[in-house]
Amino acid sequence: EAGVAQSPRYKIIEKRQSVAFWCNPISGHATLYWYQQILGQGPKLLIQFQNNGVVDDSQLPKDRFSAERLKGVDSTLKIQPAKLEDSAVYLCASRANRGQIAPNSPLHFGNGTRLTVT
Amino acid sequence: GESVGLHLPTLSVQEGDNSIINCAYSNSASDYFIWYKQESGKGPQFIIDIRSNMDKRQGQRVTVLLNKTVKHLSLQIAATQPGDSAVYFCAENRGGGNKLTFGTGTQLKVEL
Repeated sequence: EAGVAQSPRYKIIEKRQSVAFWCNPISGHATLYWYQQILGQGPKLLIQFQNNGVVDDSQLPKDRFSAERLKGVDSTLKIQPAKLEDSAVYLCASRANRGQIAPNSPLHFGNGTRLTVT
Repeated sequence: GESVGLHLPTLSVQEGDNSIINCAYSNSASDYFIWYKQESGKGPQFIIDIRSNMDKRQGQRVTVLLNKTVKHLSLQIAATQPGDSAVYFCAENRGGGNKLTFGTGTQLKVEL
């Protein structure tokens, strides 16, 4: 099966500018996640979707970050305006099942978008 | 050792030796754990997982051990190969949820 697709691979912007990332999950996967990975750290969850609904956005900085999954398939993550500390890799992941994470239903990650804010 | 910011713990092993990567978790309600491998420029890749009702699970060249008493997880890689060089993360699912919380990661370097 095709993996999780993300674009662009790299993005360089100046602080206070806007940026958007796109994710196409594995076909049929109901659950989609956006993670932020700062250099040298583990991924940190930003937002989780179940189909086109938000399940958990408690760690999303909502004053500047937004995300949507309008048709329950592709998703976009936007930052407006960007700050220097937003420099990170933004990872999208998807999972087939809707329920509890368990064996045979792990998260599958894309290769991420590396954002540099100058 | 512990990592702060850019300083990932690093484990250097000789090719052919066995590697043991350790992870401590803090949430006693966590009931499912996964090890991921992340190569440079790529997303995390699933290696092996284990439920909290088990203490050991084996895969191909990899074994995960879980000690719930001390909240410790380890990944053992047998006959380590150059292709195993990567950052390894443990992740936990906290008590019936459907999202993963990741640890800091360990850089594995395989020396020829």
